[in-house]
Amino acid sequence: AQSVTQLGSHVSVSEGALVLLRCNYSSSVPPYLFWYVQYPNQGLQLLLKYTTGATLVKGINGFEAEFKKSETSFHLTKPSAHMSDAAEYFCAVSGAGRRALTFGSGTRLQVQP
Amino acid sequence: DAGVTQSPTHLIKTRGQQVTLRCSPKSGHDTVSWYQQALGQGPQFIFQYYEEEERQRGNFPDRFSGHQFPNYSSELNVNALLLGDSALYLCASSIPGQGNEQYFGPGTRLTVT
Repeated sequence: AQSVTQLGSHVSVSEGALVLLRCNYSSSVPPYLFWYVQYPNQGLQLLLKYTTGATLVKGINGFEAEFKKSETSFHLTKPSAHMSDAAEYFCAVSGAGRRALTFGSGTRLQVQP
Repeated sequence: DAGVTQSPTHLIKTRGQQVTLRCSPKSGHDTVSWYQQALGQGPQFIFQYYEEEERQRGNFPDRFSGHQFPNYSSELNVNALLLGDSALYLCASSIPGQGNEQYFGPGTRLTVT
């Protein structure tokens, strides 16, 4: 069984400030971890993923995330927020192979000018 | 290269009716997964198809059924619609060997009145 907990349904930051979105997971198998972004009235776009190997993964638009097995965490960060980063962010977990994704409930990021 | 496409974009149905949603996967992808995203929530896995068979199923009733065609496109059918079926229905496609990376379509917004 797998589950994802995203702490903070809403996060507000100032433009240029650090973005930190938290994700903790539970998995009975070695996890594959993903961050997706969803803009209003759109589908989901993959930001980054962790499967195996290097625990710090870099994604699109300057985002990165670090897999910490001991903490069962996969937090998403970006050094400097941009207005265009305002969106809903989802963390997801799966196993290897053709597996269903289990999503968290999402975090809405608001960027203040 | 066309991404994942879904039709229709929006749909309004009455309780008790039946609905069919369609999905064309990204070129080269042979696996299609369907997800339901209720308002303000993360996507929930409905089922997955490859080789024209349902391979995995989430916790959804038998009212939800699907099909995959030889060209890998897929349909999601929902019978006896309930008000609670109102949601964004997302289709995702993938191929094995790419770390379970799933590409999402823009979704079909279903409203049941």
